Amino acid sequence: SQTIHQWPATLVQPVGSPLSLECTVEGTSNPNLYWYRQAAGRGLQLLFYSVGIGQISSEVPQNLSASRPQDRQFILSSKKLLLSDSGFYLCAWRTGSSGELFFGEGSRLTVL
Amino acid sequence: SQQGEEDPQALSIQEGENATMNCSYKTSINNLQWYRQNSGRGLVHLILIRSNEREKHSGRLRVTLDTSKKSSSLLITASRAADTASYFCATDRNTGGFKTIFGAGTRLFVKA
Repeated sequence: SQTIHQWPATLVQPVGSPLSLECTVEGTSNPNLYWYRQAAGRGLQLLFYSVGIGQISSEVPQNLSASRPQDRQFILSSKKLLLSDSGFYLCAWRTGSSGELFFGEGSRLTVL
Repeated sequence: SQQGEEDPQALSIQEGENATMNCSYKTSINNLQWYRQNSGRGLVHLILIRSNEREKHSGRLRVTLDTSKKSSSLLITASRAADTASYFCATDRNTGGFKTIFGAGTRLFVKA
């Protein structure tokens, strides 16, 4: 069966520090991968998606970047965090271009 | 910008009552999905309805879709305290693929 892992689960970082959130998927090949951000009590904002290794589509110009160095690995990064980067980051995958998304448990980032 | 918009933003009901949540969207879609999120957790897919379907059932869930009004509703019958969660609609557009856009969600509280 397929599983998705996201880490770290919780992160407190100072403004200006770097960020790396990692997501891996097991049990499937060539998944489409997604990063979403959720502000407190709000909906999900699509940040990045990837349809293959090295292929990244950015939805929102911002302080973040994404990379997909391996088929089932998706990394969210920042060189210098801003206060506004605080939020709940969710990784998700699916096999097709539409349909059910499978989410990880999320990474809560607090920038102080 | 986010496509789906749910209402109400929050809903509080007694156990045993029915809960109805609505979702509106703006562009033509391939399908519409409903997800559930327990506090601080990842999202879980509940049900998907395709653009050529009008109604779909899954257990205590009933989803309707009106493409002429660009709206959908999720009905949870005989609610339980365990149904307390946030519920989100999400749409896959029928052009462009890959992007699933979420609404702001309805926070449901079921009182025992």
